[in-house]
Amino acid sequence: ILNVEQSPQSLHVQEGDSTNFTCSFPSSNFYALHWYRWETAKSPEALFVMTLNGDEKKKGRISATLNTKEGYSYLYIKGSQPEDSATYLCASPHGSGNTGKLIFGQGTTLQVKP
Amino acid sequence: EAQVTQNPRYLITVTGKKLTVTCSQNMNHEYMSWYRQDPGLGLRQIYYSMNVEVTDKGDVPEGYKVSRKEKRNFPLILESPSPNQTSLYFCASRQGARGYTFGSGTRLTVV
Repeated sequence: ILNVEQSPQSLHVQEGDSTNFTCSFPSSNFYALHWYRWETAKSPEALFVMTLNGDEKKKGRISATLNTKEGYSYLYIKGSQPEDSATYLCASPHGSGNTGKLIFGQGTTLQVKP
Repeated sequence: EAQVTQNPRYLITVTGKKLTVTCSQNMNHEYMSWYRQDPGLGLRQIYYSMNVEVTDKGDVPEGYKVSRKEKRNFPLILESPSPNQTSLYFCASRQGARGYTFGSGTRLTVV
């Protein structure tokens, strides 16, 4: 089974702080890396799908980078706001190719205090 | 509106009574998948489908069945539910290299 690991497990920051967290995955047979945001009592929502080494994606104050050679991705949130409080999940397809078998990490739960 | 629709949202049932959770998407997506979410275990994939009549096991398929007879529908069948299948279930769909669109979830309790 492909191991997708996320750290830290949880994070508490003050409003206005910038923060980042990590997703690590096996670098062999890399195909893609997904990031999702999951708010309490809602469904996960796709943020980014990244495929190229060195890729950087941005959506508002949230951005992500990808290093496929060393097997990690960082998610950054600039100037955190209380509405950014959520669990952030990363996921990667198993093996090579777009097989549909998407394995999720355990997530990083972010709490932003006003 | 583009969406994934699951039904029911909540279900309480008894051990051994067959049930089906329906999932339908209106985006003509190729891929569909079922996940369960349990505290401390994250999202675990039960089954997935890459197209009509093409399904495969995820990481936790035991006790579940699926079918994909039409592109839009991907029902999850529990032939003989047991208490360890009490969980929050999500159906999701995607196209190509895009991220999954998730349904609203089905909270199942088996007593």
